[in-house]
Amino acid sequence: AQSVTQPDIHITVSEGASLELRCNYSYGATPYLFWYVQSPGQGLQLLLKYFSGDTLVQGIKGFEAEFKRSQSSFNLRKPSVHWSDAAEYFCAVGARAGTASKLTFGTGTRLQVTL
Amino acid sequence: GAVVSQHPSWVICKSGTSVKIECRSLDFQATTMFWYRQFPKQSLMLMATSNEGSKATYEQGVEKDKFLINHASLTLSTLTVTSAHPEDSSFYICSARAAGTDGAEAFFGQGTRLTVV
Repeated sequence: AQSVTQPDIHITVSEGASLELRCNYSYGATPYLFWYVQSPGQGLQLLLKYFSGDTLVQGIKGFEAEFKRSQSSFNLRKPSVHWSDAAEYFCAVGARAGTASKLTFGTGTRLQVTL
Repeated sequence: GAVVSQHPSWVICKSGTSVKIECRSLDFQATTMFWYRQFPKQSLMLMATSNEGSKATYEQGVEKDKFLINHASLTLSTLTVTSAHPEDSSFYICSARAAGTDGAEAFFGQGTRLTVV
């Protein structure tokens, strides 16, 4: 069974500082990996995804993530955080085509940005 | 493209009544739709997977008779919470996977906050 661990429940960074949100996954093969952002009371917006190819993927809003197979990780990074980035961030792993293709989400990391 | 619309965004209902939540894919055909439940400050928990024209597959512990899912067309799935009780109050989110796509990518609706009083 696939699983996702986001070790940090809550992170606070200053505006302009760099950010890294951790995500570790468990899956029998190469998974599909996603990062989503959720603002309070809203649905999920896809930041970026990894399916194959280049292990460093670029997403929207200046975010990037790097897939490291050896570490089973897919950490999200941003070089300079903006106050509007404050939100809940979810890492998710999905099975490949031909299976149920369900997404399994981590528990989320709440990002707080101080001015 | 790839817009999923959920309706209503929020609903308040009396205990014992039923509530229907709609999930529509506006600009693509969705062969598979997923329904999630999210408790405050918690992650999304998959409730069920529905494929167009067939019965939904429920996750362990989800009461299929309480949470009725219908996926009658390639653009619409509905979740009906029957005989709602206060403990059913939650944030419900749907997602839809486009027909012909590879992998697990799905697009999410904006969610429905259900409050049962």
